[in-house]
Amino acid sequence: GAVVSQHPSWVICKSGTSVKIECRSLDFQATTMFWYRQFPKQSLMLMATSNEGSKATYEQGVEKDKFLINHASLTLSTLTVTSAHPEDSSFYICSAPSESTDTQYFGPGTRLTVL
Amino acid sequence: AQSVAQPEDQVNVAEGNPLTVKCTYSVSGNPYLFWYVQYPNRGLQFLLKYITGDNLVKGSYGFEAEFNKSQTSFHLKKPSALVSDSALYFCAVRDGWNTDKLIFGTGTRLQVFP
Repeated sequence: GAVVSQHPSWVICKSGTSVKIECRSLDFQATTMFWYRQFPKQSLMLMATSNEGSKATYEQGVEKDKFLINHASLTLSTLTVTSAHPEDSSFYICSAPSESTDTQYFGPGTRLTVL
Repeated sequence: AQSVAQPEDQVNVAEGNPLTVKCTYSVSGNPYLFWYVQYPNRGLQFLLKYITGDNLVKGSYGFEAEFNKSQTSFHLKKPSALVSDSALYFCAVRDGWNTDKLIFGTGTRLQVFP
């Protein structure tokens, strides 16, 4: 299947700092990518849809000024958690749909810990 | 609105026995259904999907799922469970025919005992 990578796989930062997470589709192009958040032992919560060449679409209750999304190219989307706080600590997962297989593929996730 | 339900938080099965992880759906229109598996501290791995065609869908790692329109179900099955199948399984449905957005179930933890 298609491959989606995320970087970094884990990050620890101090409260108040910003953290950038990258999501790349390695062997296909994606005009759309999705960002999810997952709390321990819970399902995935869709945060936003990243759109190449236009603004991201945020789900209700997600602060767009806190979770900045940039879809710089057809293979790269970034999520920046600005002014991170301990409550932002979570597992962040991105995904990208492949048009050729009509299937969504997920990155391995990024574990964010804010101290 | 589209939704899927996974009624079991956890399923326990002995190695070598058949396993079933349940999923029911509620959609308007034709459902696009998916199963994903998640191992600890990892992203989701695609197992299989149903869009149209045969009701029995075969996927990765020996898994299969049966689409049942009358029961609005899409249960995941495997004839003989392995300890390595122990993981978190998610059923998902596409949120409409013209979007790639997925709606996920709450997940079912499968525990296979030796």
